[in-house]
Amino acid sequence: GQQVMQIPQYQHVQEGEDFTTYCNSSTTLSNIQWYKQRPGGHPVFLIQLVKSGEVKKQKRLTFQFGEAKKNSSLHITATQTTDVGTYFCAGRGGSGNTGKLIFGQGTTLQVKP
Amino acid sequence: EPEVTQTPSHQVTQMGQEVILRCVPISNHLYFYWYRQILGQKVEFLVSFYNNEISEKSEIFDDQFSVERPDGSNFTLKIRSTKLEDSAMYFCASSRGARGHGTDTQYFGPGTRLTVL
Repeated sequence: GQQVMQIPQYQHVQEGEDFTTYCNSSTTLSNIQWYKQRPGGHPVFLIQLVKSGEVKKQKRLTFQFGEAKKNSSLHITATQTTDVGTYFCAGRGGSGNTGKLIFGQGTTLQVKP
Repeated sequence: EPEVTQTPSHQVTQMGQEVILRCVPISNHLYFYWYRQILGQKVEFLVSFYNNEISEKSEIFDDQFSVERPDGSNFTLKIRSTKLEDSAMYFCASSRGARGHGTDTQYFGPGTRLTVL
């Protein structure tokens, strides 16, 4: 079945350093969503990417969707301690006719002050 | 801002017992979902529900699981005879459905931690 892989699993950075997590799907996606989950919390929606090659920015966060719509990335510039948490990508299948989200394993970010 | 709510926040049960997890989706949303997350693992899709019927389910969602919208506000997940491996965080989510659920944003509730002893 369709799989979404995410790397790295963990990332420890010094406050102020940049951070990137990568997401790869085994099949073409219709769209991809990114969520942040704080320790003990629930996934909180960050953004959705739909178009091939799409790039969206939210303050220090930059999201990209690959040209082939099979990969995506989240880049955080100048991390802060408030960025701590697990970042999940979640893709939808190529038909676009499904609500089912296939989650990656997540990247857990630790930021040292 | 409207939120998805879930009760209870933590449920402890004995193996073989039935449990019902409750969710109140966002009021004008049409699509409802259940996901689960085993401790330290990724979030996994269980089932989606629209117009009072299941629209999609995963291989995890076997005959032990059922969902229901018993009234205009609640959405429930029932596990008939719990197993140890059912221990997980169960998240309810809902989406508006205005553009078709294939591009909708799904909003997650805080989850119910189910512990099966």
